[in-house]
Amino acid sequence: GENVEQHPSTLSVQEGDSAVIKCTYSDSASNYFPWYKQELGKGPQLIIDIRSNVGEKKDQRIAVTLNKTAKHFSLHITETQPEDSAVYFCAASPLTGNQFYFGTGTSLTVIP
Amino acid sequence: ETGVTQSPTHLIKTRGQQVTLRCSSQSGHNTVSWYQQALGQGPQFIFQYYREEENGRGNFPPRFSGLQFPNYSSELNVNALELDDSALYLCASSLGLGNTEAFFGQGTRLTVV
Repeated sequence: GENVEQHPSTLSVQEGDSAVIKCTYSDSASNYFPWYKQELGKGPQLIIDIRSNVGEKKDQRIAVTLNKTAKHFSLHITETQPEDSAVYFCAASPLTGNQFYFGTGTSLTVIP
Repeated sequence: ETGVTQSPTHLIKTRGQQVTLRCSSQSGHNTVSWYQQALGQGPQFIFQYYREEENGRGNFPPRFSGLQFPNYSSELNVNALELDDSALYLCASSLGLGNTEAFFGQGTRLTVV
C-alpha cells in the first residue's frame, strides 16, 4: 500500500519567514495530494491540494509543488504569521474517492 | 466551518463495550470516509461509504463497521472496545468517487478505560 513520509516533524520559524514542509510517497498511482492544517482540538482543515497533472499551485501565501518523477511534494508558506501555528499533514490518494494516506504531521510554530 | 458535524464530541467507554459515532456530511456530499487519529499521529483510513455502500476499507478488524443512510449521514460502530481504540475519530465528506476536496468534521474523542 501507499506510504507517505513527512519531514520535519517540528518546525519553528520567526514571524515573516518562510516555512517548507516536505513529503514523499511510494505509490506511483497516487494522483491527488491535499494538505491539511489541524489546530488543537479541531478536525483537519483543507488548505490546498494538487493533482498529478500539475507541477505547482499557489493560493496567496501558500504554495504546493509536486515532482512525480521523484515522488515528492512540498508545502511552502511565505510571510508566516502566528496564526499559521498548527500541525500540518500531507496526504496522498492512490485511488479514486479520497481514501487518503496521511503523513505523520509537522508541528509548525511561528514565533512573533 | 466545513458543514460536517460529528457527535458526540467526547466519549468515555469501558473495555469490551460497544460504541456508535455519528457523522452528518456536508450538504450535497454523498461520500463519507472515516479515519482514526491516535495521539501525535496522522489519520488512518478506516473505511468509506458511497451512496450507502461500503467502498473501500483500510487495515482495521471487522469489529469496526459502519452504515450510511439515504440522507448520506453515517455511523461508525466499534464492538468489543480495546484500550488501543482510544483516539480521535474523524469523518470526511466529499462528492462522488473522484479525487475531490474532502472536508473533515471536528472529530469524536473516544477514551477507552
